[in-house]
Amino acid sequence: KNQVEQSPQSLIILEGKNCTLQCNYTVSPFSNLRWYKQDTGRGPVSLTIMTFSENTKSNGRYTATLDADTKQSSLHITASQLSDSASYICVVRGFYKLSFGAGTTVTVRA
Amino acid sequence: DTGVSQDPRHKITKRGQNVTFRCDPISEHNRLYWYRQTLGQGPEFLTYFQNEAQLEKSRLLSDRFSAERPKGSFSTLEIQRTEQGDSAMYLCASSPYRSGNTIYFGEGSWLTVV
Repeated sequence: KNQVEQSPQSLIILEGKNCTLQCNYTVSPFSNLRWYKQDTGRGPVSLTIMTFSENTKSNGRYTATLDADTKQSSLHITASQLSDSASYICVVRGFYKLSFGAGTTVTVRA
Repeated sequence: DTGVSQDPRHKITKRGQNVTFRCDPISEHNRLYWYRQTLGQGPEFLTYFQNEAQLEKSRLLSDRFSAERPKGSFSTLEIQRTEQGDSAMYLCASSPYRSGNTIYFGEGSWLTVV
């Protein structure tokens, strides 16, 4: 069964601090890995997309890494802002189906 | 607005009633997906269309669920004889054909069955 596991389940950080979210997957075949940000009650919004040949990709203060050998990815948030409070979902694509992690809920406090 | 549009955004219905959700994908996106999401969980795959063809349907979709995409444009998701366990957010997403392209999600349709 294709699985995507994320850790931690939730975290609280102070505004301006950095944090790193983890994603481990067993999806096969692997097409690409995406990180999405989902605000409460809203649809997910894409942050990054990486194929197996890409090790890192940035989108502003968000930097994603991918190790296709160990099937691990991370999302690093730099200099967090209050607006970063959301759920961050790791999504792995096979042929066409997306497998979603349960998400990491990030709360940024002033 | 050229994003994925879903309607209605919220629906409260009595158990046993039928409900239908509509999704308008981004123009010229030939892939369309339906997902279901409950609180604290990631979205779960329901079904996938490429143009008008429904290529896969999850086992999560019981016989009470049906989805259509009649002309390869908008899609509908119907739930018949709703049950309280159907309460969730139903997300629609679309993308162009190539697998590396971004998949765009709608804002979701919240269903509450009372």
